[in-house]
Amino acid sequence: DTAVSQTPKYLVTQMGNDKSIKCEQNLGHDTMYWYKQDSKKFLKIMFSYNNKELIINETVPNRFSPKSPDKAHLNLHINSLELGDSAVYFCASSPADRGFYEQYFGPGTRLTVT
Amino acid sequence: AQSVAQPEDQVNVAEGNPLTVKCTYSVSGNPYLFWYVQYPNRGLQFLLKYITGDNLVKGSYGFEAEFNKSQTSFHLKKPSALVSDSALYFCAVRDGAYGGSQGNLIFGKGTKLSVKP
Repeated sequence: DTAVSQTPKYLVTQMGNDKSIKCEQNLGHDTMYWYKQDSKKFLKIMFSYNNKELIINETVPNRFSPKSPDKAHLNLHINSLELGDSAVYFCASSPADRGFYEQYFGPGTRLTVT
Repeated sequence: AQSVAQPEDQVNVAEGNPLTVKCTYSVSGNPYLFWYVQYPNRGLQFLLKYITGDNLVKGSYGFEAEFNKSQTSFHLKKPSALVSDSALYFCAVRDGAYGGSQGNLIFGKGTKLSVKP
């Protein structure tokens, strides 16, 4: 069983559209994250949720809205997609919001905006 | 502010030779340090971490890393490289102040390791 799963794996869409990426973890973890990896492989955190509550919201356009229906799921909705949103988005989880825990990453969703 | 630097974009090693991937960090408190590996078109996989205690930590796939507080470094090492070790390696740091409950996990820009037969 995949510990952290994301759907879809690939997403190709046009500018201006709205899209969602889903993430699920079956590890029983309390904390989940969204990261963005750009074309140069630079990885940066976007959001962090602990037990369904937002705890980190980095400088991300408000077109990006995370939703956590329960602590096993953290979905990412993006409105009015722009060319610069093209990237690979990774979901991750950790047992709790403590820095000594390693994070477990999903396989990524490659978003291409045309 | 915390930061992490990986000074090499790419490291080339012959199979069977030892490898080192360098990482230096900057945090205000004690660091929590991690190494992750990313294979092509895959997510990141955890390799090892230093939280406290012994400066030499051992991780998955025969990798190890040495924490050096005076040099603020956490270099990744392996005694004998395999072709299958070829991947992108990320060092990451989080400030350990307040039990690591504040701040984010900050990643380096990654180092591409290429192991040739």
